[in-house]
Amino acid sequence: QSALTQPASVSGSPGQSITISCTGTTSDVGGYNYVSWYQRHPGKVPKLMIYEVRNRPSGVSNRFSGSKSGNTASLTISGLQAEDEADYYCSSSTSTNTLIFGGGTKVTVL
Amino acid sequence: EVQLVESGGGLVKPGGSLRLSCVVSGFTLSSYSMHWVRQAPGKGLEWVSSMSSSTSFIYYADSMKGRFTISRDNAKNSLYLQMNSLRAEDTGVYYCARGYSGYVTDAFDIWGQGTMVTVFS
Repeated sequence: QSALTQPASVSGSPGQSITISCTGTTSDVGGYNYVSWYQRHPGKVPKLMIYEVRNRPSGVSNRFSGSKSGNTASLTISGLQAEDEADYYCSSSTSTNTLIFGGGTKVTVL
Repeated sequence: EVQLVESGGGLVKPGGSLRLSCVVSGFTLSSYSMHWVRQAPGKGLEWVSSMSSSTSFIYYADSMKGRFTISRDNAKNSLYLQMNSLRAEDTGVYYCARGYSGYVTDAFDIWGQGTMVTVFS
């Protein structure tokens, strides 16, 4: 099964909002509300930012929000800050009881 | 402090085997689903396998099915990944991760630092 499709890179200036898309199919993103987003800084392990499409774990800033429309999930970062510069990965459960990740998006704060 | 510590990685020839371990602390292993995720050099994250808290549900990525076996020993606070018939494309850093919810293939909230597996001839 191919990875979910994410843009390779997204950039924005401090204070702006950016959105990262994650496109799959009806067999994964479109069919299930088990979409997650992870932030990964260089040399660090992934950090869960969003689970089940739009829920934030305790301690995650409310500047991060998730949504889904059809086969595409999105992560929006509002009030972009320098510390948000990282790689972001989406993941989704699938119809075959597997999990699939996106290819990752590098966020650059200009 | 909640912590996951992997070990067991190393160099192995194609066709060889390795057994990865993940020792957990700070939480009750039997209460959580557990998972393995890998990352090949220069590539993104790839899900490997998941096991429910009850061990009733075990899932593998297609390319690992039949070659990898996930298991756990709650008394030893340990998760394992037995990897057989290793291929060059299995090279990468292997992470164990804790499941965040009751749904087995949902999110992962705690990750270990990873252990490197290199398959080369």
